[in-house]
Amino acid sequence: KAGVTQTPRYLIKTRGQQVTLSCSPISGHRSVSWYQQTPGQGLQFLFEYFSETQRNKGNFPGRFSGRQFSNSRSEMNVSTLELGDSALYLCASSPAINTGYNEQFFGPGTRLTVL
Amino acid sequence: QKEVEQDPGPLSVPEGAIVSLNCTYSNSAFQYFMWYRQYSRKGPELLMYTYSSGNKEDGRFTAQVDKSSKYISLFIRDSQPSDSATYLCAMNTNAGKSTFGDGTTLTVKP
Repeated sequence: KAGVTQTPRYLIKTRGQQVTLSCSPISGHRSVSWYQQTPGQGLQFLFEYFSETQRNKGNFPGRFSGRQFSNSRSEMNVSTLELGDSALYLCASSPAINTGYNEQFFGPGTRLTVL
Repeated sequence: QKEVEQDPGPLSVPEGAIVSLNCTYSNSAFQYFMWYRQYSRKGPELLMYTYSSGNKEDGRFTAQVDKSSKYISLFIRDSQPSDSATYLCAMNTNAGKSTFGDGTTLTVKP
C-alpha cells in the first residue's frame, strides 16, 4: 500500500504571497490532519478533515485554511505569508474507524521557506 | 504552560546504553499515549501506543504510563546508532485530536 504523499516537498515564497500544499492519504483512509512543525513550537495541530468536513481545528489564524475532496485528498492554503510561517507542514492520514484513537500515518512533509 | 511537556534534550549516549525519554502532561482527559520516532527529513512514524496506565513492551522498547502522576516514559534498551532520531510523545482525548511534545533528539554513538 502506498504511503501518504505530499507535494511539493520544498517551497520558497516571499512575504505576502499565498501557498497551497497538497496531501494524498493512504487509500481507504478518510481522515486527513495537518500539522505545522517548527524548532521553537514543535508539532502543532492545524486542522482535521473527515469526509470533506472539517472535524477539528487548532489555534491558528484564519490565514490557514484547508479542504478535503471526495477522494479524501486534501489541500491546505496559507494566505498573506509571514516570515513566521516558515516550517515543515506535515499531513497525516488515518482510517478513523474507531472513536478516541486511530493510528496516524504521516507523510514526509512540505518544507516551506518564507523570505 | 503547554499541555504536554517533553524533556528537551538533546541526548547523546554510547551504543548499548539504556535510554529514558520522558513527558509530563496536565490534561486529565488524555486517554491515549503514543511515542513517535522522526528521522531527519522524514515525517514521524508511530513507535508505540498505549491506553491508560501501565507498561507495554515491544522488542527493545518499553512504554510506561502513570496517569496518577501524569507522566509517561519510553525506554530503549541496548540502544543502536540506528535509534538516532527525534522522539515525540503524543496524547489524545476521546475527541481524537493529538497533542504533541516538542521532541527529544537522541544520538547514539558507536
